[in-house]
Amino acid sequence: DVVMTQSPLSLPVTLGQPASISCTSSQSLLHSDGNTYLNWFQQRPGQSPGRLIYKVSNRDSGVPERFSGSGSGTDFTLKITRVEAEDVGVYYCMQGTHWPQSFGQGTKLEIK
Amino acid sequence: EVQVVESGGGLVKPGGSLRLSCAASGFTFSNAWMSWVRQAPGKGLEWVGRIKSKADGEITDYAAPVKGRFTVSRDDSKYTLYLQMNSLKTDDTAVYYCATHLFGQVRPYWGQGTLVTVSS
Repeated sequence: DVVMTQSPLSLPVTLGQPASISCTSSQSLLHSDGNTYLNWFQQRPGQSPGRLIYKVSNRDSGVPERFSGSGSGTDFTLKITRVEAEDVGVYYCMQGTHWPQSFGQGTKLEIK
Repeated sequence: EVQVVESGGGLVKPGGSLRLSCAASGFTFSNAWMSWVRQAPGKGLEWVGRIKSKADGEITDYAAPVKGRFTVSRDDSKYTLYLQMNSLKTDDTAVYYCATHLFGQVRPYWGQGTLVTVSS
């Protein structure tokens, strides 16, 4: 099974400062159909998860432009250009290229 | 407005069974691939299983820890997704979420979750 490893697991950030979360997969996530099925999800405290990014770098409708995704193969990154208070929560990467689908452990973003 | 609402959670003894339901509205359910994801108390997200649409063969896939014990099914006439859970273990204690296609072009919709507690 593909193991998704995120770092850091805890991310204290000052309001207005950038933040970056890394996600590494144990196998390449490039699918035979040419797509890379790597998503990013945000889970705010007490809420259900919500998807931010799909297929590495595609921002979902309604997601602020300060969120961006990048990467290829086994290494991926979620970046927030300027952290706002509403960004507090846990962020998960998830791969859908290989079965079974799998999530990373989660990165908890908090405000310093 | 799109809604997915889970129900059926509760307390069950180890070895017991439970069936969760997920009622959908506001979109064409029959076209949707649907997933179950769970979250143990204080832990991260864990993908449980998925069912494709009837047009795509209603193919199901499961995570290793639940394969052979859990079954995902759907009733398109009732706009409802199910998760039949048998031979439950204490490790299955979690909030169970249903969600629309996690890797589709449209942002997935998630329910609020339903808590399953497996304890003697």
